[in-house]
Amino acid sequence: TQLLEQSPQFLSIQEGENLTVYCNSSSVFSSLQWYRQEPGEGPVLLVTVVTGGEVKKLKRLTFQFGDARKDSSLHITAAQPGDTGLYLCAGYSNSNSGYALNFGKGTSLLVTP
Amino acid sequence: DTGVSQNPRHKITKRGQNVTFRCDPISEHNRLYWYRQTLGQGPEFLTYFQNEAQLEKSRLLSDRFSAERPKGSFSTLEIQRTEQGDSAMYLCASSRRGTGVEKLFFGSGTQLSVL
Repeated sequence: TQLLEQSPQFLSIQEGENLTVYCNSSSVFSSLQWYRQEPGEGPVLLVTVVTGGEVKKLKRLTFQFGDARKDSSLHITAAQPGDTGLYLCAGYSNSNSGYALNFGKGTSLLVTP
Repeated sequence: DTGVSQNPRHKITKRGQNVTFRCDPISEHNRLYWYRQTLGQGPEFLTYFQNEAQLEKSRLLSDRFSAERPKGSFSTLEIQRTEQGDSAMYLCASSRRGTGVEKLFFGSGTQLSVL
């Protein structure tokens, strides 16, 4: 059972465009985290959102936690080729894997010059 | 470099062989995690340690998999009698238990190919 559903699965855009990716669940999370993963490397933590409705900015990246703490979004302004990667959302929950940090399948982003 | 180190980076083995991976966490981190990731999927939790104690183990982990963390420092993940379905990236992460939301730091992974 995938607790965290991410959309879209793939996104290919040109440099300078804006984009939003989504992370949704039917479960309430006390917090959600966003990671970025480049090919052949491990995920790197970008941000943690804790409070419902919270908005956090990291340069051109804006993260929002839904009011009900069931969903989150990541908006990138003026995307650059360096933003290319797999964006993963993650939250602590009980699943058939036990209580642990569980990840969504991710959104694979390609930004072309 | 004080990040999480994993060895080897790549491992090719024949079906039925045993393989062992090593993870060296960030030195002051007392928690260590193992994840598995296949193409098109997010990382899937396998197990984690707090110091030398294995506190959580995924119900998806078959009895061919075993992990150890002697003395609460480095960890090893062994897969016995490998199967083609074991082919994946095996990721290790570490964290320091404290107040607030836990932050995991991942290594670069070990890519396993079972032929």
